[in-house]
Amino acid sequence: GDSVTQMEGPVTLSEEAFLTINCTYTATGYPSLFWYVQYPGEGLQLLLKATKADDKGSNKGFEATYRKETTSFHLEKGSVQVSDSAVYFCALSDRGNTGKLIFGQGTTLQVKP
Amino acid sequence: NAGVTQTPKFRVLKTGQSMTLLCAQDMNHEYMYWYRQDPGMGLRLIHYSVGEGTTAKGEVPDGYNVSRLKKQNFLLGLESAAPSQTSVYFCASNNRELGNQPQHFGDGTRLSIL
Repeated sequence: GDSVTQMEGPVTLSEEAFLTINCTYTATGYPSLFWYVQYPGEGLQLLLKATKADDKGSNKGFEATYRKETTSFHLEKGSVQVSDSAVYFCALSDRGNTGKLIFGQGTTLQVKP
Repeated sequence: NAGVTQTPKFRVLKTGQSMTLLCAQDMNHEYMYWYRQDPGMGLRLIHYSVGEGTTAKGEVPDGYNVSRLKKQNFLLGLESAAPSQTSVYFCASNNRELGNQPQHFGDGTRLSIL
């Protein structure tokens, strides 16, 4: 079945460092891909999405490009801030009639001043 | 605009007790979902609904029941709680345009079973 694999955390960075969180997927067909962020004590918020190959999603300085050839959707940010400390989830949505999401295990990011 | 609201936010139960978690959305979304979040495992789908009066099993449905009597509400029931059901539960919803529409999440219910 479909699945999503993320790099294990926690990832600890200093403020203004470059961030990459790897995400690869296995799916039949052409899923939509999402990154969600979860701040402590809160629910998940959509960070960005891409719906077809070579699309680039971007938001709040974060970017991710849908790479069909490598089945990847890596999250990047050029300069992280302490306020970016959170858990990041990669997810895919199949194109069936249910809208279900399949999540990776999540990657905790800690940014130190 | 409240979005997706879950009640209660916290609950402690004893093994064998029953309870119902309520999810309400005010976005007129057709589709609603219940997930559980456990450390190192991401979110796993318990049950979902594609419309009022319909429900279906997700990845981990055992020990849970759901009902969608009204479009805006999706209830998750534990008939006989077990320690393995200690988790954080999230409800989500989205509209009918599938495949590229994000789900909107509630803030979660933290449930402990003793």
